[in-house]
Amino acid sequence: EVQLVQSGAEVKKPGESLKISCKGSGYSFTTYWIGWVRQMPGKGLEWMGIIYPGDSDTRYSPSFQGQVTISADKSISTAYLQWSSLKASDTAIYYCARVASTGPFDTWGQGTLVTVSS
Amino acid sequence: DIVMTQSPDSLAVSLGERATINCKSSQSVLYSSNNKNFLAWYQQKPGQPPKLIIYWASTRESGVPDRFSGSGSGTEFTLTISSLQAEDVAVYYCQQYYSTLSTFGQGTKLEI
Repeated sequence: EVQLVQSGAEVKKPGESLKISCKGSGYSFTTYWIGWVRQMPGKGLEWMGIIYPGDSDTRYSPSFQGQVTISADKSISTAYLQWSSLKASDTAIYYCARVASTGPFDTWGQGTLVTVSS
Repeated sequence: DIVMTQSPDSLAVSLGERATINCKSSQSVLYSSNNKNFLAWYQQKPGQPPKLIIYWASTRESGVPDRFSGSGSGTEFTLTISSLQAEDVAVYYCQQYYSTLSTFGQGTKLEI
């Protein structure tokens, strides 16, 4: 069974750093793009960026370029999303998802709630 | 960026009736080399991640009931639920994956 399992909820203060994870299983992790999607409280889905774990080729939405870093460690089938300095406006649920060979996101993680509050 | 605009923002339909959600893209998402529309639909129920229900604009994902159908081409697309069931209450999103920098519509909330 194809699965993406994300790390647990986080509560951070503004200015702190954070790295959340997404571990894939049940498929060849290095041959599918993995994407990250933000969902702010009560809002819609925002496509943040994608990474190809096989060679770490990464693409970012202009809205998120420079705000976050997407990375992957193929040796442990895990993708990451990180912030160097969190803001209150980063409070959201972050989903990782696998890009199917046909193009859409066919498998989603359960989501990681990130709360940034002083 | 390709901008995706859904209509309506919310919709109330009686059980057993037809529900129709529209999605318009700011530029064509039809890829001429394979004649496929790079357009997907997702269903998101409260407290759950989104679930892929339609891709290539009209292909149902495995396991999705056949009351769900997608249509359209180029820049205008429709998701239709032929006979609404209680479990279909959710927010529905369209997504274009024509561009490497994919984008979602703002979502349509479907209620009974």
